[in-house]
Amino acid sequence: SAVISQKPSRDICQRGTSLTIQCQVDSQVTMMFWYRQQPGQSLTLIATANQGSEATYESGFVIDKFPISRPNLTFSTLTVSNMSPEDSSIYLCSAPIENTDTQYFGPGTRLTVL
Amino acid sequence: AQSVTQPDIHITVSEGASLELRCNYSYGATPYLFWYVQSPGQGLQLLLKYFSGDTLVQGIKGFEAEFKRSQSSFNLRKPSVHWSDAAEYFCAVGDELTFGTGTRLTIIP
Repeated sequence: SAVISQKPSRDICQRGTSLTIQCQVDSQVTMMFWYRQQPGQSLTLIATANQGSEATYESGFVIDKFPISRPNLTFSTLTVSNMSPEDSSIYLCSAPIENTDTQYFGPGTRLTVL
Repeated sequence: AQSVTQPDIHITVSEGASLELRCNYSYGATPYLFWYVQSPGQGLQLLLKYFSGDTLVQGIKGFEAEFKRSQSSFNLRKPSVHWSDAAEYFCAVGDELTFGTGTRLTIIP
């Protein structure tokens, strides 16, 4: 199975600041996804990140709040901007690994905003 | 639009007992179906998946699931649970995953 890592694993941040989460895949992938899992909730797709193009955001999520970078086929970042306590969640990246038809997930970044 | 329903928010099972977690889906075509498990403080791990073919799918950790098109269901089963199975279980559908709300499994001695 593929290995997907995220940094940081957790963070506690102040209101109004921004945090950038990194996601690294150990193989080249075409698509990467970012999800949010609010406390006690299921996963909600934030956006799809393709290398070489703008990320595609789901309804309710905007680029100004969640800017995404995808500089190459193994790496992506998600920034949570101007944070408020409502942004406290686990943020997970995932990628469908080529020739497996399966989406693998990173371990998640647990964000707490005070 | 595709959707997934997991009717049971929380299930408690005795260790060694059998388990069935329910999942119903809504999808326009033959669905891709998945079960993931999330242990406390961990990311999601794929248990099993169904794309086509045999409707009874075997997964890791002794889990299996059966695709029933007539019932739009993909229930997860295990004949005998272990204390280490305590976790949150998510059913998902589609190639761009839509997740259910999850079922939290508690195991009692």
